This record gives sequence, structure tokens and C-alpha cells, in this order.
Amino acid sequence: AQSVTQLDSQVPVFEEAPVELRCNYSSSVSVYLFWYVQYPNQGLQLLLKYLSGSTLVKGINGFEAEFNKSQTSFHLRKPSVHISDTAEYFCAVSESVGRGSQGNLIFGKGTKLSVKP
Amino acid sequence: NAGVTQTPKFQVLKTGQSMTLQCAQDMNHNSMYWYRQDPGMGLRLIYYSASEGTTDKGEVPNGYNVSRLNKREFSLRLESAAPSQTSVYFCASSEVSGFPYEQYFGPGTRLTVT
Repeated sequence: AQSVTQLDSQVPVFEEAPVELRCNYSSSVSVYLFWYVQYPNQGLQLLLKYLSGSTLVKGINGFEAEFNKSQTSFHLRKPSVHISDTAEYFCAVSESVGRGSQGNLIFGKGTKLSVKP
Repeated sequence: NAGVTQTPKFQVLKTGQSMTLQCAQDMNHNSMYWYRQDPGMGLRLIYYSASEGTTDKGEVPNGYNVSRLNKREFSLRLESAAPSQTSVYFCASSEVSGFPYEQYFGPGTRLTVT
């Protein structure tokens, strides 16, 4: 069965510093990987996704993530964070069981990023 | 284009009361989902509807029922609310279920059961 582990529940960082939010997954088949962001009192929105091809994926708001199959990881990075990046970030996995199949998303428990001035 | 809308935004229930959470999407999506979010637990899938006329259980379906009223609307019903159902509930939709389609989320309903 697939699962997602987000290694840090909270990450405090100063404005303009770099940040890495870690995500590891387990699955016996190929997977598709996603990062979602949730701003306070809002729903989730997609930051970026890895489906195939280049292992370095660029998303919105200057975020990027790298798929590492050997390490079963999909860490999220940003070289310089802003106060407005304060939010909760969720890693999610969907197993590659075929187009149009029931490849539902499995979410990690989330990482709260707190950017301080 | 409102995307995914949910009503109500907040609700307080007493144990044993019933209520229905409403969700609608205007993106002509085929698939719709209900999740619950609890602190430190991430999002867990309650029920989903891959297409109009079908519904399936997710990870945590006990205590809930759903209705896919039409292509636009997917409701979640709590027949006899329990304190363990205190949570934030999110509805989502996607063009088609599964890979590689992005899910779009509503703003959530914050439910407290006393």
C-alpha cells in the first residue's frame, strides 16, 4: 500500500532564507507526485506535480521539487522565501494504475511553514 | 467561474443531530471527492464519485453518506453526528478521476460536534 511521510510537521525560517520541505513515499508501483499548498482558512491549491520526464519540476510562486526514485523522495524547495509563503504544505501521491482509473490521492500529514521577518 | 463552492462555511451540531454539507462545481468536471482534515492527520478521503451516478467509499466512510445529485453537485450527509466527526471538510473535483488530473478544492466547512 502506498503512503506518504512528511518528515517535518513545522518548519520556521527567516524571510529571504532558502527552505526545503521533505517528502518521502512508499509504493510498489510507479507513482505520480504532487505538492499542494493551503493558506490559512482556505482550501488546497496545486503547487506542482511530477508525472514523468524531467525529475526537476517547477511550480508556482518560485517553488520547485525534485523526484528521486532511488530515495523515494520528492522534496520541495524555494531559494528565497517571503512572508506570504507562510502556509501548510501537503505532499500527495497517486499510484500509476492507468489512465482514468481510481488512482486517488494519498496525502501526507502536512508541514507548516512559518516565515518570520 | 466560482470553481468549487461549499455550504455552509461553519456549523455547530449537537451529538445525534443530522446535517448535509453541500458542494457544487461549475467546471464541468466528472469526478468529485469529499475529504476531512484533522490536525496532524493530513487529508483523508471519505467518499468519491468518479462520474455522475456512481459513488465509492474512501479511507474513512463510516458515519457518512453521499449523494451525487447531478454532474455539478455532490453532498455529504451526517445522519447522527458524533464528536469524532468534528473536523474541516473539503470537497474537490477533477476532470476525470485518477492520473493525471488535478483536483480543485473548495474553501472548506468547519464542523464542530458538541
